[in-house]
Amino acid sequence: RKEVEQDPGPFNVPEGATVAFNCTYSNSASQSFFWYRQDCRKEPKLLMSVYSSGNEDGRFTAQLNRASQYISLLIRDSKLSDSATYLCVVNMDYGGSQGNLIFGKGTKLSVKP
Amino acid sequence: DAGITQSPRHKVTETGTPVTLRCHQTENHRYMYWYRQDPGHGLRLIHYSYGVKDTDKGEVSDGYSVSRSKTEDFLLTLESATSSQTSVYFCAISEYRANQPQHFGDGTRLSIL
Repeated sequence: RKEVEQDPGPFNVPEGATVAFNCTYSNSASQSFFWYRQDCRKEPKLLMSVYSSGNEDGRFTAQLNRASQYISLLIRDSKLSDSATYLCVVNMDYGGSQGNLIFGKGTKLSVKP
Repeated sequence: DAGITQSPRHKVTETGTPVTLRCHQTENHRYMYWYRQDPGHGLRLIHYSYGVKDTDKGEVSDGYSVSRSKTEDFLLTLESATSSQTSVYFCAISEYRANQPQHFGDGTRLSIL
C-alpha cells in the first residue's frame, strides 16, 4: 500500500459546485495532516492543517478519520480561482525518520464558468 | 509569504557537470529541506538539515550532497549531474520538525542535457 494515496482526477466542476477530495494514508501512527494547494508551475502552499475534530476555513472543510486512515477536503461554492492541484500531506514517524512529511501526488481540480 | 529565496530559478546544464542550488531564508527557522518534484511522483525529500552543519538523508539522496554553514543558507549539490536529475527542486523550511507544516520557496527548474 502506498504511503499517501489520492485520486489524481481531474475533477472538472462548474462554478458554485461542491467538491470533495479524499486521501488515504498507510501509517496509523501519523500525527500531522495537511492540505496544500499547488498552482501550475508554482510552489506548494499550505491550505490548511487538519485537526482531529475537523476544521473549517471559509469555504474549505477538512476532516480526519483515524480509524479508517483517511482525510478529506470539501470545497463549497467553487470559484474559478480554486482551480489547482491539491496535495494531501501526512507525517510518517517511523522513529528514525523523525517525522518526514509524505506528499501525495495530488488531485487536480478544474473549475469551469 | 515565508522569506525563502531559491537560486537560480532556472538552469540548463550538461551531463557530468557539477551543479549547486542555493536556498536562503530570512525566517531563522531551524529546519530546512530539499525536495524534487517529477511528473507521476509526489514531492520527494532529498536531504534535510536540523541545524548548522547538521544534515540527514531523505528518500532520494543518492547523487546529491548538501551543506549548511549558516542558519539561513542550505546548499544542494549535484556532484556530477545526470539526465535523471532533471527536475523541479523545491526548498522548504519549518520552525520545528514534528507536527509542523513546511513552507516552500519558488523552486528551481533544472534541465540536464
